[in-house]
Amino acid sequence: GESVGLHLPTLSVQEGDNSIINCAYSNSASDYFIWYKQESGKGPQFIIDIRSNMDKRQGQRVTVLLNKTVKHLSLQIAATQPGDSAVYFCAENLGGGGSYIPTFGRGTSLIVHP
Amino acid sequence: EAGVAQSPRYKIIEKRQSVAFWCNPISGHATLYWYQQILGQGPKLLIQFQNNGVVDDSQLPKDRFSAERLKGVDSTLKIQPAKLEDSAVYLCASSPTFLDTDTQYFGPGTRLTVL
Repeated sequence: GESVGLHLPTLSVQEGDNSIINCAYSNSASDYFIWYKQESGKGPQFIIDIRSNMDKRQGQRVTVLLNKTVKHLSLQIAATQPGDSAVYFCAENLGGGGSYIPTFGRGTSLIVHP
Repeated sequence: EAGVAQSPRYKIIEKRQSVAFWCNPISGHATLYWYQQILGQGPKLLIQFQNNGVVDDSQLPKDRFSAERLKGVDSTLKIQPAKLEDSAVYLCASSPTFLDTDTQYFGPGTRLTVL
């Protein structure tokens, strides 16, 4: 079965709010996690990644948190904008040893209302 | 820099027919991936190439799916014969190497409908 999944399939927020998208994984050996954004009719686009030796990583308006104890990832988007509306996927790397063989979760649809 | 190119963008076929998808990765990228994305789900890796060699094809249904990357550049994914459950978007992605430090770049995908 799937080893990566999302708690909420749809998240609706108002423009300017902060958004939090959650993801659970089941493979404790996974050492690398990635968040992707997929807009309608396009392929996924890399947003941010984190390795298992880190708890938090920040990018521009985005933060990823990793809780290895409960095997949980979250993506926080600050000051959400209409352009952030998309489906967001987390992926875990099952490759190991520096190689990348990704497994994606189902995805969360983020809807930003102006 | 040109992105990952895929063709066709859309394809409609009847079950038991054959279909082929083409991918041209970003120039210089050694690693190429094919994914299947069923509506409402995340992409599922079908096969990963490093140059013209297969790194992983554990999730490729080999009785009907085949893929090749003969010269280590372009790649073709074929389904023969197609089933209704093959309806999905087929995504191609590339990265400079197979290492997880390299970002994957995805193409726009080919939407396949099997009737």
